[in-house]
Amino acid sequence: SQKIEQNSEALNIQEGKTATLTCNYTNYSPAYLQWYRQDPGRGPVFLLLIRENEKEKRKERLKVTFDTTLKQSLFHITASQPADSATYLCALEGTSGTYKYIFGTGTRLKVLA
Amino acid sequence: NAGVMQNPRHLVRRRGQEARLRCSPMKGHSHVYWYRQLPEEGLKFMVYLQKENIIDESGMPKERFSAEFPKEGPSILRIQQVVRGDSAAYFCASSPGSNYEQYFGPGTRLTVT
Repeated sequence: SQKIEQNSEALNIQEGKTATLTCNYTNYSPAYLQWYRQDPGRGPVFLLLIRENEKEKRKERLKVTFDTTLKQSLFHITASQPADSATYLCALEGTSGTYKYIFGTGTRLKVLA
Repeated sequence: NAGVMQNPRHLVRRRGQEARLRCSPMKGHSHVYWYRQLPEEGLKFMVYLQKENIIDESGMPKERFSAEFPKEGPSILRIQQVVRGDSAAYFCASSPGSNYEQYFGPGTRLTVT
């Protein structure tokens, strides 16, 4: 079955640095991958969607890469700010023929002032 | 433009009672997803609905759980004869289509005593 792995350990970085989060997946070749942000006690917020034919996508200080050979997506936040502190989730569509989405457990990012 | 609305935000039920969770999607969205999230765990897909149709319920327990999305009114997730293990945060998300980003509501936190 499909599996998503995100680094469960919290990531602490200094303000102004670039944060890089990893999402690895197995047993599947998704057509696209999504990244969400979740703050404590709140619902996830959509950030970026990248398709299999796109190597990289950017939105303001955010950048996502999608390597279908390595089965990996990297999520970068440049010039990080304390307000970027949150849990970041990656999500894949389910296998063809289903509509379920599979979410990783998320990586908690803390940006230190 | 109002976002996804869920109510109640908090729900306390005794074992054996019924829980009804409501979700109003964003305006113009006809696709609704329900997820369950336990502390420190990822979002688990439960069911995907379009107006008046259940498209994929592969993540929903066969017994005690049901979902609907009527032509008029909100989507409802119903849990009958709740047990302590049903205690969790339940999120719904809406999207304009099946291959688009999802917009999440604030969640309903169900506590079974």
